[in-house]
Amino acid sequence: AQSVTQLDSHVSVSEGTPVLLRCNYSSSYSPSLFWYVQHPNKGLQLLLKYTSAATLVKGINGFEAEFKKSETSFHLTKPSAHMSDAAEYFCVVTPGGGSYIPTFGRGTSLIVHP
Amino acid sequence: NAGVTQTPKFQVLKTGQSMTLQCAQDMNHNSMYWYRQDPGMGLRLIYYSASEGTTDKGEVPNGYNVSRLNKREFSLRLESAAPSQTSVYFCASSPGDEQPQHFGDGTRLSIL
Repeated sequence: AQSVTQLDSHVSVSEGTPVLLRCNYSSSYSPSLFWYVQHPNKGLQLLLKYTSAATLVKGINGFEAEFKKSETSFHLTKPSAHMSDAAEYFCVVTPGGGSYIPTFGRGTSLIVHP
Repeated sequence: NAGVTQTPKFQVLKTGQSMTLQCAQDMNHNSMYWYRQDPGMGLRLIYYSASEGTTDKGEVPNGYNVSRLNKREFSLRLESAAPSQTSVYFCASSPGDEQPQHFGDGTRLSIL
């Protein structure tokens, strides 16, 4: 069985300060991991994905994530927050081993203060 | 570039009514998905289609049916709508399993 836990339902930062959104996962196989962003009244957009090629993954808009197998974590970071980063962020795991069914975390709402 | 197109964008139904949510993708993707999004719950998979001609249940299939009409189109049907089905419904497609998904902008459905 697989699961995804986003450790914070809300994260609040000031513009220009670093962002850290935390995600832990469990999977019986070698998983594929994704981060998506959702702006209000929109669908989800892919930020980045991990598929075992490299543990540090760079995505769009300056975001990156590090896969740590020993900690079963895939935390999302950005050095400097912009107002436009305010959105909902979802961590997603696809377990592999022939399973097509992705599991979504419950989401983290990023609030950016001027 | 249309990507994934969902219709309608909004709908209000009465309990017991039926309706079909439409989804079409123009990226020649093999896999298509239907999710519902409820506050604080993330996205939950209702049904998916790994390829044309196949469909499988996801996490929350009760009360729904799907049809993969062709490679482009994947519809979701509520036969007898219930207030518990009030939600935002998202359709997504991907080239194949373990590949990133492309999402439509959602259908906001209210059932009174």
